[in-house]
Amino acid sequence: DAGVTQSPTHLIKTRGQQVTLRCSPKSGHDTVSWYQQALGQGPQFIFQYYEEEERQRGNFPDRFSGHQFPNYSSELNVNALLLGDSALYLCASSPVVSGLNYGYTFGSGTRLTVV
Amino acid sequence: KNEVEQSPQNLTAQEGEFITINCSYSVGISALHWLQQHPGGGIVSLFMLSSGKKKHGRLIATINIQEKHSSLHITASHPRDSAVYICAVHLYSGGGADGLTFGKGTHLIIQP
Repeated sequence: DAGVTQSPTHLIKTRGQQVTLRCSPKSGHDTVSWYQQALGQGPQFIFQYYEEEERQRGNFPDRFSGHQFPNYSSELNVNALLLGDSALYLCASSPVVSGLNYGYTFGSGTRLTVV
Repeated sequence: KNEVEQSPQNLTAQEGEFITINCSYSVGISALHWLQQHPGGGIVSLFMLSSGKKKHGRLIATINIQEKHSSLHITASHPRDSAVYICAVHLYSGGGADGLTFGKGTHLIIQP
């Protein structure tokens, strides 16, 4: 049973470019959350997708957008990349039970470097 | 002030020692997670707690909801336990799910 799969594992982009990161959730999970983890820091919540809609959003600018597909997979898009966007981007999936989501499974992350 | 505070930030111990990592939070939560992150980034979920105590192998997690405090204990520590341990809380929103709010992590090194 595959867990959460993220691609690519590593990525180098130039400032001002756009990037798309992908996440396939664990089988049976219908909610996908995205997190940004800067070096030496704990992850920060970006947003969460359920039923192909953004349910919750953290304190991130509109340059960060996402999408969830009917098969529950998700994409994170970042436009107009800044050097400060360099981080590990983590995807976590979870099932929704009684309106709440529990039992997070995390992917290994995508390491984005902006130069 | 961060909503989730962990201590210590760094901990180095000898193999076999009993390890305690603490987590305090300042808001109402519906659940608390203890996570393990190894170099390279992958995160493994160790426990999810909303009350009491859970045990899995050499790992024990406790939570005191009234005191807004949780601890992760490792018995008979081993070098392979070396990792960053992160406390994350599921904020209580009353109506649905929120993303997790993370502590900064505790960097644990177990020396042989």
